[in-house]
Amino acid sequence: NAGVTQTPKFQVLKTGQSMTLQCAQDMNHEYMSWYRQDPGMGLRLIHYSVGAGITDQGEVPNGYNVSRSTTEDFPLRLLSAAPSQTSVYFCASSYSIGAGANVLTFGAGSRLTVL
Amino acid sequence: EDQVTQSPEALRLQEGESSSLNCSYTVSGLRGLFWYRQDPGKGPEFLFTLYSAGEEKEKERLKATLTKKESFLHITAPKPEDSATYLCAVQAVGYSTLTFGKGTMLLVSP
Repeated sequence: NAGVTQTPKFQVLKTGQSMTLQCAQDMNHEYMSWYRQDPGMGLRLIHYSVGAGITDQGEVPNGYNVSRSTTEDFPLRLLSAAPSQTSVYFCASSYSIGAGANVLTFGAGSRLTVL
Repeated sequence: EDQVTQSPEALRLQEGESSSLNCSYTVSGLRGLFWYRQDPGKGPEFLFTLYSAGEEKEKERLKATLTKKESFLHITAPKPEDSATYLCAVQAVGYSTLTFGKGTMLLVSP
């Protein structure tokens, strides 16, 4: 099992450029989510999905778009990158939604720098 | 709004010197409290889920406990390989999302 796979691992963008961070899981998890991690701020939820075709906003959604066309994939799109989006991004998935405890499996992270 | 506060921010121990990390939380109704370990440059790795006050879970040198307001991660006779950032998170009843604390960075010196 590959678990949760994120690509790319590193990316440098110029302000105003767009890009997509890819996330794929092979565990048939219904729940998927994106977090960003900044020094002194901890992990903050950007967007999440409880199943294919269903997405919702988290704590810091501005500047990011998501879609969920398949169970396996949950890409995160930056439409017009800003220096404030420099961060480490983590994708996480879970086998449990609804009433159950949501034990997340994380990817290895994508480090994004916006100049 | 759910809140999670972890203390201390950083902790330095000598090998074999036991200690505890604290996670204080406020949540409307607790579905679960989670502990994760994160090594530098890697994603968080799941350690424990606690569901109700009084519950305890153990894994090797780690033991997690839970009260109605806080959780402790006790580290007994730590080794250098226990050095990592430990993250606490809560999930409220009726919600699927987790709220994370900022973490405690633990360094264990030989």
